[in-house]
Amino acid sequence: QVQLVESGGGVVQPGGSLRLSCAASGFSFKNYAMHWVRQAPGKGPEWVAVIWFDGSQKHYIDSVKGRFTISRDNSQNTLYLQMNNLRDQDTAVYYCAKSLHSADWYWFGSWGQGTLVTVSS
Amino acid sequence: QSALTQPASVSGSPGQSITISCTGTSSDVGGYDYVSWYQQHPGKAPKLIIYDVINRPSGVSNRFSASKSGNTASLTIFGLQADDEGDYYCTSYATGNTVVFGGGTKLTVL
Repeated sequence: QVQLVESGGGVVQPGGSLRLSCAASGFSFKNYAMHWVRQAPGKGPEWVAVIWFDGSQKHYIDSVKGRFTISRDNSQNTLYLQMNNLRDQDTAVYYCAKSLHSADWYWFGSWGQGTLVTVSS
Repeated sequence: QSALTQPASVSGSPGQSITISCTGTSSDVGGYDYVSWYQQHPGKAPKLIIYDVINRPSGVSNRFSASKSGNTASLTIFGLQADDEGDYYCTSYATGNTVVFGGGTKLTVL
């Protein structure tokens, strides 16, 4: 079955950087668009970024453009999120999510367990 | 990229039905048939229960039904069960290759 395992979260000071990873298994990773979705404590989820199955397109929520970069390594079945210039409001659980179908990217069909990023001085 | 509008809370007794609304604009809900719904239990990741406005993924109970009219989408849960209690979120594709979530609705089964 689909398994998504995030890692790389932790505590970082404002202005700092972190790189999140998501190890995927149980499906043909190279055929699916992949997402990062975050959820601040006590708040609802917020979509952050998507990357096409082949990495040819990447799209971001406005609040992270220029600071976050989504990437993938299809040979290693791994999704990444490089987060720079972190702000207090980036504090959240970050989930890796797989698109439901290989032909579209609007639905989050499977989710990881999440990794907590805390931005605090 | 404003959040879609959902009621903060709804409640119902076991066996009853409830409906959760999700209101957006012509740039998201009203402009595309790309609405989905997620169920989230405390401490867990969200789970997809409706996609493409009306479709249920394999394994999701047919007690969950959804629709859309204009800028508003709706999720109906028939025959409420205790395990339905949790938070529900709608999402929609939005102009500019983004996805926007609703603010969430807390469902209480009385």
